[in-house]
Amino acid sequence: AQTVTQSQPEMSVQEAETVTLSCTYDTSESNYYLFWYKQPPSRQMILVIRQEAYKQQNATENRFSVNFQKAAKSFSLKISDSQLGDTAMYFCAFMKPNTGNQFYFGTGTSLTVIP
Amino acid sequence: DTGVSQDPRHKITKRGQNVTFRCDPISEHNRLYWYRQTLGQGPEFLTYFQNEAQLEKSRLLSDRFSAERPKGSFSTLEIQRTEQGDSAMYLCASSLGTLGEQFFGPGTRLTVL
Repeated sequence: AQTVTQSQPEMSVQEAETVTLSCTYDTSESNYYLFWYKQPPSRQMILVIRQEAYKQQNATENRFSVNFQKAAKSFSLKISDSQLGDTAMYFCAFMKPNTGNQFYFGTGTSLTVIP
Repeated sequence: DTGVSQDPRHKITKRGQNVTFRCDPISEHNRLYWYRQTLGQGPEFLTYFQNEAQLEKSRLLSDRFSAERPKGSFSTLEIQRTEQGDSAMYLCASSLGTLGEQFFGPGTRLTVL
């Protein structure tokens, strides 16, 4: 079974600063996908960024980037120039393709951006 | 709005009652997923459909739970003889194809008294 661990239950960052959320996972698979989802208070989850395990280049989406270390099974999310709207729960998720594509989620990190 | 919708958004019921939730996925999405999220935890997979076929069920889905997607469009999740431990947020997600991003609905929050 796949497990995803987010060791930081809560984090805070000053507006305009940079913050990194960590995620580690455990799998024996070589082909898989990793995701970061954002869940704002009382709102639905939206995709922040995704990474294919076969790609060595780290994914980036505007202010969001990942540091994917396949050998270490680490997948951290860096948020640059933090904005108040970034305040949310952030979930790291693992997906093994062709088995229903079910997601395995971590327990989440609650991020608060302080004005 | 063409996103995933869920109804109701909140449900309060007494222990032992049956409840049914509905999920309407994005119209062209062929895959539909149900997850359960309890306080302080990430979503946990319950089951998924490809079109109208239910292809996988988690061991979390006890005999009291049943899900359907009769025409390959909307889906229902029914919980019979609810227990207090069923209290959770029930999330629905849909995707297109095998590697598509999953789009989540707002969830149905169930409280069992």
